[in-house]
Amino acid sequence: SAVISQKPSRDICQRGTSLTIQCQVDSQVTMMFWYRQQPGQSLTLIATANQGSEATYESGFVIDKFPISRPNLTFSTLTVSNMSPEDSSIYLCSVENLAGVGETQYFGPGTRLLVL
Amino acid sequence: GQQVMQIPQYQHVQEGEDFTTYCNSSTTLSNIQWYKQRPGGHPVFLIQLVKSGEVKKQKRLTFQFGEAKKNSSLHITATQTTDVGTYFCAGQTGANNLFFGTGTRLTVIP
Repeated sequence: SAVISQKPSRDICQRGTSLTIQCQVDSQVTMMFWYRQQPGQSLTLIATANQGSEATYESGFVIDKFPISRPNLTFSTLTVSNMSPEDSSIYLCSVENLAGVGETQYFGPGTRLLVL
Repeated sequence: GQQVMQIPQYQHVQEGEDFTTYCNSSTTLSNIQWYKQRPGGHPVFLIQLVKSGEVKKQKRLTFQFGEAKKNSSLHITATQTTDVGTYFCAGQTGANNLFFGTGTRLTVIP
């Protein structure tokens, strides 16, 4: 199984600022995913990040607000830009496990963000 | 758009009682997956079901995939305090991304 780390693990930020979250995987993976999980809620996919191409964003999420980088096969960043209190959430990166038939995923430990 | 609903949203059980959560999709799925998220933790993959009517077991956990491949269930026999957490189903249609269900939060009372 993949080992995934995220930095920072948590942060408290002021509105209007931006935060970049890093996701590091211990093996090369083609697809990485970024999710948001608001308090007590389910996981919502923000975007899929493939190395060498632009990220694919889900409905309701735009690149200007959540720019993503994917410089190589083991690393990705998600930036939460111009933050507001509504951005307070857990942000999770995940990678796909190709052992399954479908797209089973391993998740990182998450970044807990509080925007004041 | 695709929706995956789970019931119940919350469940409190006495330790030793059984627990079941149900997952229903608005569309036919190519596969369904189950994840567990402990309080303060991240989702951890439990199992994947692919075939219509499939049943899989992991110790005290039994997973079923409906004949129409639109619903699924997770049953835990004789719950333990270590079963505490939120259980999510996640469906996939073809090559599309996973769509997570609303989750069922399980509390086990010792």
